[in-house]
Amino acid sequence: DGGITQSPKYLFRKEGQNVTLSCEQNLNHDAMYWYRQDPGQGLRLIYYSQIVNDFQKGDIAEGYSVSREKKESFPLTVTSAQKNPTAFYLCASGGPTGGGYTFGSGTRLTVV
Amino acid sequence: QKEVEQNSGPLSVPEGAIASLNCTYSDRGSQSFFWYRQYSGKSPELIMSIYSNGDKEDGRFTAQLNKASQYVSLLIRDSQPSDSATYLCAVRISQAGTALIFGKGTTLSVSS
Repeated sequence: DGGITQSPKYLFRKEGQNVTLSCEQNLNHDAMYWYRQDPGQGLRLIYYSQIVNDFQKGDIAEGYSVSREKKESFPLTVTSAQKNPTAFYLCASGGPTGGGYTFGSGTRLTVV
Repeated sequence: QKEVEQNSGPLSVPEGAIASLNCTYSDRGSQSFFWYRQYSGKSPELIMSIYSNGDKEDGRFTAQLNKASQYVSLLIRDSQPSDSATYLCAVRISQAGTALIFGKGTTLSVSS
């Protein structure tokens, strides 16, 4: 079945530690996106990539990094520079027609 | 800063009633508009997309778009308890490629 897989579902980070969230899609979509959602809030755009080997910063890119070496994969690294990383992280992909996205099931990151 | 505004709610309606959800956006150049439904703890699910002024119907859902007023709405007819969720309005703005900007969402509660 086609879809987007995010892993892990839950992730715990210690202070000063970098962690990487995985996002893989088999929908053959060119564009992929990372969003962050805090309780009671909407989705805020972190990074997006419209093509392999290219990506752009969203509204809240500070403290995050991404790579897009393969069409299927768009991992997000939460660095130690991100001071408040506890949130629900959502990955999405979109096709060439500019329609709506398909979302993965999300990763819930908690700082311990 | 391009914005998408929604009333946070909660919006409470009895079973069988019509629920009306509203959204305004600031980017006059926006061309694509979407409604997502998000159940608690889950990822958003696309339920409607609209690109032209007027109404678009899909089952119990009707999306309405008025670009002159920069306003998009979602009507849910014959509301069911299973419709209880947060509804996110999303807009594709002209300055962010294919990325969507989301509102904070409106929480809908349908009582039986």
